[in-house]
Amino acid sequence: GAVVSQHPSRVICKSGTSVKIECRSLDFQATTMFWYRQFPKKSLMLMATSNEGSKATYEQGVEKDKFLINHASLTLSTLTVTSAHPEDSSFYICSARSPGLAGGEQFFGPGTRLTVL
Amino acid sequence: ILNVEQSPQSLHVQEGDSTNFTCSFPSSNFYALHWYRWETAKSPEALFVMTLNGDEKKKGRISATLNTKEGYSYLYIKGSQPEDSATYLCAYGNNRLAFGKGNQVVVIP
Repeated sequence: GAVVSQHPSRVICKSGTSVKIECRSLDFQATTMFWYRQFPKKSLMLMATSNEGSKATYEQGVEKDKFLINHASLTLSTLTVTSAHPEDSSFYICSARSPGLAGGEQFFGPGTRLTVL
Repeated sequence: ILNVEQSPQSLHVQEGDSTNFTCSFPSSNFYALHWYRWETAKSPEALFVMTLNGDEKKKGRISATLNTKEGYSYLYIKGSQPEDSATYLCAYGNNRLAFGKGNQVVVIP
């Protein structure tokens, strides 16, 4: 149980295009989902926290107009990188949690590798 | 920004040997310390959530200890096997997790 999927696993796009990444909780309802980013040789950095049905809370330094997060249902959150540039190339990974599941532990997806040319 | 440090960054272990590594974190306002195991191309897998000073938790050959007063946690692998090869992440916090860079373990058959 507690499986989280992400799609796509890898995406290459041209500079200026927008890319959408999906995060799904497959066998539980996730009241909260988190989006992280990891640059090479760096740690996972929290970008934003999203609660179902409300606006996401962004960490300091993360542009909300650049990284659009939608959490419209209890099983799906999306991250859209708008007008992507090469510096947005990174590894993006989501996690999901449910208060009644495993003491509120976060369950992670496998991540998405974004390369912007 | 919370500073979570893991050391050593990488280590090679002979099959059958035991090993351990460290996660250090701010000792003030402690909430919880999480350990994850992350294999390449897979999702990070939760190993332990530790909340109390002196906590010791065990899962098979892997165990962890917690010292919240001095701000460190040890992860131990007993009798390492090739399937233990992975990156072990620690994270500090409750909702908004602050991660270390990970301990990359390679077990040599």
